[in-house]
Amino acid sequence: NAGVTQTPKFRILKIGQSMTLQCTQDMNHNYMYWYRQDPGMGLKLIYYSVGAGITDKGEVPNGYNVSRSTTEDFPLRLELAAPSQTSVYFCASSYSSRGKRTQYFGPGTRLLVL
Amino acid sequence: DQQVKQNSPSLSVQEGRISILNCDYTNSMFDYFLWYKKYPAEGPTFLISISSIKDKNEDGRFTVFLNKSAKHLSLHIVPSQPGDSAVYFCAASSMKTSYDKVIFGPGTSLSVIP
Repeated sequence: NAGVTQTPKFRILKIGQSMTLQCTQDMNHNYMYWYRQDPGMGLKLIYYSVGAGITDKGEVPNGYNVSRSTTEDFPLRLELAAPSQTSVYFCASSYSSRGKRTQYFGPGTRLLVL
Repeated sequence: DQQVKQNSPSLSVQEGRISILNCDYTNSMFDYFLWYKKYPAEGPTFLISISSIKDKNEDGRFTVFLNKSAKHLSLHIVPSQPGDSAVYFCAASSMKTSYDKVIFGPGTSLSVIP
């Protein structure tokens, strides 16, 4: 049981390049999330999904896109990388039950945009 | 507009003593609170939670206290151990929402000195 896995661990992008951050969970969770964490800040929600085929914007969605074609995978797409997107990105998943709000996080992807 | 605040960016405590981490929130709709712990280069991991119907929840060395009237919660670690050195995030959510949207505080970095 691997939990939540993210690839790559680290990436350097040039301004204007695009990339996809991969996220996979094997816990059969309906809910999945993408967060970014900037130095000295809490985690900010970028996008979330309540199930396959359903996604919605979080607090800071600009510059990002997501898709959820399967329960397991929730990739995050950066189309035109900008220095402001330099951050650590965390993917998370959780049960759908309201009584179980624990989110399980992946190890993160560190992204540097130069 | 920080809905979840952790006003102490860092805290140092001697091994064996009590660590008290504080958290304040502004949104009265929040009714479920969580603490996450994060080691460097890892994703956050769930530590303990509390519902607004309680004012205290214990799990081993960790106790969370909730004061709803003051919109304040605290995490007590007794006794503190060097392995507790990490960043602790306070998080809040509303059970009334249909999805697991969680608002995170900026974190408090705890150092337990041997």
